[in-house]
Amino acid sequence: ETGVTQTPRHLVMGMTNKKSLKCEQHLGHNAMYWYKQSAKKPLELMFVYSLEERVENNSVPSRFSPECPNSSHLFLHLHTLQPEDSALYLCASSQDFGRVATGELFFGEGSRLTVL
Amino acid sequence: AQSVTQPDIHITVSEGASLELRCNYSYGATPYLFWYVQSPGQGLQLLLKYFSGDTLVQGIKGFEAEFKRSQSSFNLRKPSVHWSDAAEYFCAVGAIDTDKLIFGTGTRLQVFP
Repeated sequence: ETGVTQTPRHLVMGMTNKKSLKCEQHLGHNAMYWYKQSAKKPLELMFVYSLEERVENNSVPSRFSPECPNSSHLFLHLHTLQPEDSALYLCASSQDFGRVATGELFFGEGSRLTVL
Repeated sequence: AQSVTQPDIHITVSEGASLELRCNYSYGATPYLFWYVQSPGQGLQLLLKYFSGDTLVQGIKGFEAEFKRSQSSFNLRKPSVHWSDAAEYFCAVGAIDTDKLIFGTGTRLQVFP
């Protein structure tokens, strides 16, 4: 079992669809993150959860809705997306929040999203 | 504001050749510096990190990096590249005051046999 698992690995959706990305970590970490990776751009931090509470929301459009039901699971609910939202969405975890800048992030393999 | 610059978008080397990937950062305080690698179809994996002390740090897979404060650089090196090193490499700086990890845009490494 890998440390951070993301499903689905690939997703194609229309602009009117509703879908969700799932992330599960088996590392016993307390903090989980969603990043967006677009070509030629730095990784963009979208959301951070610490002990199931959202502690960071980096001006992300409301068409992205995160959910963290427990410290091992993180979801990203998607609705009425735009073509420019097509990207690789990476989930990561760390032992604790408050140590992002000093600690190690463990990443999943990502969910490749294509919005038509 | 903190920033990271990776000047080389794409680098091609022959297998067995030496490698140096450049990283420059901008940060007012002492930075925490990282190199991550992303193999095709994979997430990012930490190669090495610098917090303090010895400015030459060793990482996994035979990589090392040197922190040069005077040049605001943290270049990644490997003496002999293997075909399996073909990947994208990201430099990142930890901003302690904002508790954020700032990533560069990445350098794609291609290795020819």
